[in-house]
Formats: sequence, C-alpha cells, structure tokens
Amino acid sequence: AQSVSQHNHHVILSEAASLELGCNYSYGGTVNLFWYVQYPGQHLQLLLKYFSGDPLVKGIKGFEAEFIKSKFSFNLRKPSVQWSDTAEYFCAVNARIYNQGGKLIFGQGTELSVKP
Amino acid sequence: NAGVTQTPKFRVLKTGQSMTLLCAQDMNHEYMYWYRQDPGMGLRLIHYSVGEGTTAKGEVPDGYNVSRLKKQNFLLGLESAAPSQTSVYFCASSYSPMRDLTDTQYFGPGTRLTVL
Repeated sequence: AQSVSQHNHHVILSEAASLELGCNYSYGGTVNLFWYVQYPGQHLQLLLKYFSGDPLVKGIKGFEAEFIKSKFSFNLRKPSVQWSDTAEYFCAVNARIYNQGGKLIFGQGTELSVKP
Repeated sequence: NAGVTQTPKFRVLKTGQSMTLLCAQDMNHEYMYWYRQDPGMGLRLIHYSVGEGTTAKGEVPDGYNVSRLKKQNFLLGLESAAPSQTSVYFCASSYSPMRDLTDTQYFGPGTRLTVL
C-alpha cells in the first residue's frame, strides 16, 4: 500500500537554526508532493507543492523542498527558523491509482517547536 | 471569501449518540473531502464527493455517512458515536478531483469531537 513517512515526530530548534524535515513516500508511479503547515489552533495551509519541472520548489515564508525521485524523498528546508514557525508540518502525496483517480496520502506529521 | 468553514468547532458526545458535522465552501469547488486527524497518524480520508449528489468512500469510512445535497455543503454524520471516533475532523475542497495531480486542497478549521 502507498504510504508517506515523516522521519521526525517532534523537532525542537532555537531561533536562527536551520531546519530540515524528512519525508519519504512509497509509490512508484506519477506523484505530486505537498507540504502543509498547521499553526496552533488553525487549519492546514499549503506551504508548497511539486508537480513537475525544477525539483527544488520554493514556498511561502522562506520554505523550500527538494524532490529526489531516486530516493522517493521530498524534504522540507528552511535556512533560519523563527519562533513563528512553531507548528505541525505534514507531507502529503497525491498518487495516481489506476482506475480510482488520485488519492491524497498524508504523513504522520512533524511537530516543530522553535525556542525564542 | 470565507473559504472552507466547519460547524461546530467542538463537540462532546456520549457513546451511541448521533450528530452531523457541516462543511461549507464558497469557492465554487466541485470536490469536497472529509478527513480525520489522529495523533501520530496524520490525516486519513473518510469520504469524499466529486460533485453535488455524489459521494464515495475513502480510507476509513466505517461508522460514518455523508451527503452532498448542495454543491457548497458536505455533511458528515455519525449515527452511533463510539469512543474510537474521538478525533479532529477536517473538511477540504478543491477545484478538480484528486486525479488531477496538480490541484490543491483547501482545508477548514476543524471540528474537535470527543466521544465519552
């Protein structure tokens, strides 16, 4: 079965530290890849997405992600985090399943806490 | 635009009680989805709809029913609530079906449901 795995459940960083959150998926077909963010008490918002072209995708608030097809990975990065980046981050994959349309599959989520 | 809204925001039920969660979107999206979010499990698709009057099962449909009588509304019903249905429920909508791999789903603020 298709799945998405996020390596870290909880990450704690100090402000200005660099961030990398891992995401791997298990599906060999055509995929689109997403990172969503959920700030405390708020709904999920799209950070960035990849569907084709340059595998390095830039999103909002200084986030970027790199799609490495050979590694089935889509890691999220930010050079310097801020306290306001404290949130839960979800990786998601939209995989085309034959005769059933696509299906958005989420990872378990990574909670990021940034200390001021 | 309000985007995607959900009512209620919070609810506590006793085992065996029934309730309906309402999702509304004002973006004229054709497609709508209901997810549940549980700690360590990410978001899982319960049911979805590809248009007014149509619904389909997702990954975890048991114990839930849905209806899409109007394009802008998608209702999730629990006929006989169980403690295992304690969760946070998110509604989402998108322009095109999940089979369109470039599309983005827009999420509502969530409903926190506790079943005692």
